[in-house]
Amino acid sequence: DIQMTQSPSSLSASVGDRVTITCRASQDIRNDLGWYQQKPGKAPKRLIYAASSLQSGVPSRFSGSGSGTEFTLTISSLQPEDFGTYYCLQHNDYPLTFGQGTKVEIK
Amino acid sequence: EVQLVESGGGLVQPGGSLRLSCAASGFTFSDYYMDWVRLAPGKGLEWVGRVRNKAMSYTTKYAASVTGRFTVSRDDSKNTLYLQISSLKIEDTALYYCARPNSGSGWTFDLWGRGTLVTVSS
Repeated sequence: DIQMTQSPSSLSASVGDRVTITCRASQDIRNDLGWYQQKPGKAPKRLIYAASSLQSGVPSRFSGSGSGTEFTLTISSLQPEDFGTYYCLQHNDYPLTFGQGTKVEIK
Repeated sequence: EVQLVESGGGLVQPGGSLRLSCAASGFTFSDYYMDWVRLAPGKGLEWVGRVRNKAMSYTTKYAASVTGRFTVSRDDSKNTLYLQISSLKIEDTALYYCARPNSGSGWTFDLWGRGTLVTVSS
């Protein structure tokens, strides 16, 4: 199985801060990766697909980068509504695997 | 409106069975692969399984943790996805989501339902 190691597991940042979340794959997954945001009681929402493509309707402060084994989700200027848990997901091979999640809190 | 609506969750004893459903609307259900993903209390998202479309012979794939106990199926005439879960364990307690992978946008899940809760307890 492909292991996705996501870090940090949690972070607390202020409005306006730049936030970076990383996922490392245990083997090359090309750009077969997406990023999701999940708020309590809600379904996950796709932010990024194909590692760096912004989902339509998602604010441009969100961006994704990377390929192969290292990937990054960046929030360029954290906003109050960006709280929640963020997950990466690889779909290069079965079983599909998620990172462990990063809980983002607003200071 | 494009949406997925899950149903069928509930309280079940260990070793029991349940069938979850996911009703799709607003898109051509039969064209798409469909998946189940779960979120256990205090844990992260876990992919459960997939059923491909007719063009791919409705083949299925599963996570190791559910192989042999869970079965993903679909009825394209009813625009409905199913998850038959059996030999339930305490650790199967979770919110179960159906999700649509979209080949037109990187094969990640672009549409999710709101989930149906399965609680396994004696």
